[in-house]
Amino acid sequence: DTGVSQDPRHKITKRGQNVTFRCDPISEHNRLYWYRQTLGQGPEFLTYFQNEAQLEKSRLLSDRFSAERPKGSFSTLEIQRTEQGDSAMYLCASSSIKGQANSYEQYFGPGTRLTVT
Amino acid sequence: DAKTTQPNSMESNEEEPVHLPCNHSTISGTDYIHWYRQLPSQGPEYVIHGLTSNVNNRMASLAIAEDRKSSTLILHRATLRDAAVYYCILRDPAQETSGSRLTFGEGTQLTVNP
Repeated sequence: DTGVSQDPRHKITKRGQNVTFRCDPISEHNRLYWYRQTLGQGPEFLTYFQNEAQLEKSRLLSDRFSAERPKGSFSTLEIQRTEQGDSAMYLCASSSIKGQANSYEQYFGPGTRLTVT
Repeated sequence: DAKTTQPNSMESNEEEPVHLPCNHSTISGTDYIHWYRQLPSQGPEYVIHGLTSNVNNRMASLAIAEDRKSSTLILHRATLRDAAVYYCILRDPAQETSGSRLTFGEGTQLTVNP
């Protein structure tokens, strides 16, 4: 088990371009989460999936953002027409609902740092 | 989501115990208290969680006040590797949707001096 991986680790893009990030969760984890973190702040929840179903989306997830988890394994987060305000660290996490029901411990990846110029 | 309050920063010396406080006066009866930490340039990592009783694991101890309005994360012997931002988070697993997400505050930046 190699943990949660994210690709790329860094992305620099020009305003108006589209970007896509990938997250590979821990195998057999059925829940996958996306968070965004700006400098000096704690991570903010964006959305989460249980298997391939997207069960919750934050109001932070504007129409320019879309997330998918087509086969219930890896997930992608796409940002269309990027803006400078999208510059942040995008974190992915996964968890399993098996086992201790009150825990749902989330395992985070290293994040993708997006810079929009 | 119930709110937590933590000091912005704390300092400790290496090999000394550290007590990181968290206030959560509006905690509900079904909220669990979770602690995560975030080392520089890494994603957050789970530290410990509890409901009413004090909890111990290999990383830390969690002391929960009798009225549950506050809790303290205890690192028994701080090392330089423990320098991180520590987040205290309330989660209600009974909330099928919102109980899944973690709501982070700004956390406490712990500095460990050699």
